[in-house]
Amino acid sequence: GAVVSQHPSWVICKSGTSVKIECRSLDFQATTMFWYRQFPKQSLMLMATSNEGSKATYEQGVEKDKFLINHASLTLSTLTVTSAHPEDSSFYICSAWTDGGYTFGSGTRLTVV
Amino acid sequence: GNSVTQMEGPVTLSEEAFLTINCTYTATGYPSLFWYVQYPGEGLQLLLKATKADDKGSNKGFEATYRKETTSFHLEKGSVQVSDSAVYFCALRAGGFKTIFGAGTRLFVKA
Repeated sequence: GAVVSQHPSWVICKSGTSVKIECRSLDFQATTMFWYRQFPKQSLMLMATSNEGSKATYEQGVEKDKFLINHASLTLSTLTVTSAHPEDSSFYICSAWTDGGYTFGSGTRLTVV
Repeated sequence: GNSVTQMEGPVTLSEEAFLTINCTYTATGYPSLFWYVQYPGEGLQLLLKATKADDKGSNKGFEATYRKETTSFHLEKGSVQVSDSAVYFCALRAGGFKTIFGAGTRLFVKA
């Protein structure tokens, strides 16, 4: 079946630095990918929809300059958390739509210290 | 707006016990409903789905029935195994690609 590979699975960074999270579709082409964020004991919150070759569509309240999304190819979408702060610590997860369903990456646990 | 509410965990059961994880939703129109499962260290996987009222989704011994009158989609399994230990997410999709998730319910099954 379809596989979405997300990397890294966890990362610790210093406050003020930037972190890039990659999401790759391994055996299919993903024209659309979705980026979610999950706070402890809360729902997955859709942050943005990433479209290959065009600008991402951000959900209300999500800072597009803080969470940079790039979807330059049909198999790769990246999320860069710029100038990270402790409040950005969270679990980030991507997904792609394929064959009538969603396939999710394994998620990235970001801790900003 | 659309929302999903599911029971808080963790839920701890002994092997072979009956499982119910409650899920209710609020949505305009006629959403599709899903249960996803996340095993430790892995991504979310679709467990089952139902696309219209009274549909029953089933997979791996799990079942859920789309109840429009009670706006519910409770997940059930007659006899859980240790390998069912995971986090379960109820979700809905009401038009387009956007999916709304519940907070997730962690299930621990003891041998």
